[in-house]
Amino acid sequence: QKEVEQNSGPLSVPEGAIASLNCTYSDRVSQSFFWYRQYSGKSPELIMSIYSNGDKEDGRFTAQLNKASQYVSLLIRDSQPSDSATYLCAVISNRDDKIIFGKGTRLHILP
Amino acid sequence: DTAVSQTPKYLVTQMGNDKSIKCEQNLGHDTMYWYKQDSKKFLKIMFSYNNKELIINETVPNRFSPKSPDKAHLNLHINSLELGDSAVYFCASSQDRGQTDTQYFGPGTRLTVL
Repeated sequence: QKEVEQNSGPLSVPEGAIASLNCTYSDRVSQSFFWYRQYSGKSPELIMSIYSNGDKEDGRFTAQLNKASQYVSLLIRDSQPSDSATYLCAVISNRDDKIIFGKGTRLHILP
Repeated sequence: DTAVSQTPKYLVTQMGNDKSIKCEQNLGHDTMYWYKQDSKKFLKIMFSYNNKELIINETVPNRFSPKSPDKAHLNLHINSLELGDSAVYFCASSQDRGQTDTQYFGPGTRLTVL
């Protein structure tokens, strides 16, 4: 059974601090990793994608991938109240191209 | 311009009824999906079509039947609705079924079965 695990939160972070969101996955042949943001009552939207080990930066967002540890994270620098949302980790396996979402982590940025 | 659109946005119906949800994408994508997000916010794929052909069919009751008249449309028909079908249903599309393709989600249809 392939799984994507996330802490459901809520994770509370003061405004301006770094928010760190974590995700682990069970399928070793996973090759594509995504972070989606979902505001309450809205649809998911892609924040970051990462395919190789290491860090990938885009503005205030940094995705980190460690395939050996089967771990992917998202860092949000200079957190803003508008970053308050649920963040979904998603993984696509090389085995069958199916995307599997984690249950999401609720992030709350404290003004 | 709406990239992925769904209708209706809200659907309230009685148990045992049959209902349909429509989805259209104007992105020129080849692949479309249906997801179900339950009350615990768990997003789970149901079906995927690539160029009108079914490529992913997860363990979903056969009361759920997707139909793709063309690659820009993927509709979801649900027969004999049950209470447990209450959820938000999201349609999504991607350029192809490949590993790196970003999925673009529609606004969702909130289905409530009474």
